[in-house]
Amino acid sequence: GQNIDQPTEMTATEGAIVQINCTYQTSGFNGLFWYQQHAGEAPTFLSYNVLDGLEEKGRFSSFLSRSKGYSYLLLKELQMKDSASYLCAVRGNTGFQKLVFGTGTRLLVSP
Amino acid sequence: GAGVSQSPRYKVAKRGQDVALRCDPISGHVSLFWYQQALGQGPEFLTYFQNEAQLDKSGLPSDRFFAERPEGSVSTLKIQRTQQEDSAVYLCASSLEREAFFGQGTRLTVV
Repeated sequence: GQNIDQPTEMTATEGAIVQINCTYQTSGFNGLFWYQQHAGEAPTFLSYNVLDGLEEKGRFSSFLSRSKGYSYLLLKELQMKDSASYLCAVRGNTGFQKLVFGTGTRLLVSP
Repeated sequence: GAGVSQSPRYKVAKRGQDVALRCDPISGHVSLFWYQQALGQGPEFLTYFQNEAQLDKSGLPSDRFFAERPEGSVSTLKIQRTQQEDSAVYLCASSLEREAFFGQGTRLTVV
């Protein structure tokens, strides 16, 4: 089976840095995705990691360690609009391209 | 179209009623997914199509749920004899290669 764990909720201050962790156990691995979802809206793609290491994209970075089954999403220079849920999802090598999602981490950015 | 389009955005059904939810994927996207998202949870996989072929329906919770994509484009998720536990947001996503692009979902409320 597949199991993905991430914290339920985090709070941070505008301008700060926050790291959202995700651990996973899957039958095979074919990529890890981070999505952002504002309340009542569609999840939107943030990042993709398939090899170990850090992927940087503007204020957002994502890290992967396949041997540890671990990833994190790093958000820098937090803005109020970053208040949203952040979903970690893993694609295994069975079930075709199916993404398995964690429960999501709700991030609240305060002034 | 520019993105994944789902209709209706909101649906209220009386318990026992049948409903049909529509998804228009991004033109040319081969893969199409349906997910169910309960409040405060991550999306749960329901089913996957590659063109018109339904390759994975392991996530459909019961035989009351049925999905089709007859011409490899538009897809319909049908729920027969709706129950209160079917209340959720139903998300559709389409993909060409890597990331999946999500629609805004249909919020189904069964009363």
